[in-house]
Amino acid sequence: DTGVSQDPRHKITKRGQNVTFRCDPISEHNRLYWYRQTLGQGPEFLTYFQNEAQLEKSRLLSDRFSAERPKGSFSTLEIQRTEQGDSAMYLCASSYGYGMVGQGLEKLFFGSGTQLSVL
Amino acid sequence: AQSVTQPDIHITVSEGASLELRCNYSYGATPYLFWYVQSPGQGLQLLLKYFSGDTLVQGIKGFEAEFKRSQSSFNLRKPSVHWSDAAEYFCAVAMDTGRRALTFGSGTRLQVQP
Repeated sequence: DTGVSQDPRHKITKRGQNVTFRCDPISEHNRLYWYRQTLGQGPEFLTYFQNEAQLEKSRLLSDRFSAERPKGSFSTLEIQRTEQGDSAMYLCASSYGYGMVGQGLEKLFFGSGTQLSVL
Repeated sequence: AQSVTQPDIHITVSEGASLELRCNYSYGATPYLFWYVQSPGQGLQLLLKYFSGDTLVQGIKGFEAEFKRSQSSFNLRKPSVHWSDAAEYFCAVAMDTGRRALTFGSGTRLQVQP
């Protein structure tokens, strides 16, 4: 068990460019979450997958954002036409569970995040 | 909508002193409650959780938290702080209505003085 891996650790880009982040969850975990964390704030929920199905998206996830989990394993988060306001730490988390919301939340494992800086 | 408030942005305690970090939530029913810790360069780590039952819950690293329904609070405590406890602490809640994501507070940064 190597934990949740995120790549890259840091990304610096120019405004208007597209960026893609990758998350590799713990292998047996069926649930995968993306969060965004800005300086001095707690993580904010972006989206949630159960296996390959994207079951929930936050209002924060504008049309410029898209997330995929094509085979129910790794996930990618793409931001198109980046803006300076997109600068943040993007966190991925995974868990195993089915059914009620509580199941799986108690075993939520977070990655170290991808720090995005938009110049 | 549910919300979580951590009133203290920054707390400094001396090593060996006791610690209490405050967390208040706003929600009509009893949510699922969590405390996470985030150290620089590290992922968020779950310290403890409350779903139901005994309102005093024990977690890892010697931490405990008490759920008080009347005060809508879930404060984190530790009787004797160690220098390695210096980190950012986040309280989080989840609803029992099918939404599977956590709502986090804005965090409390803990400094430990020697």
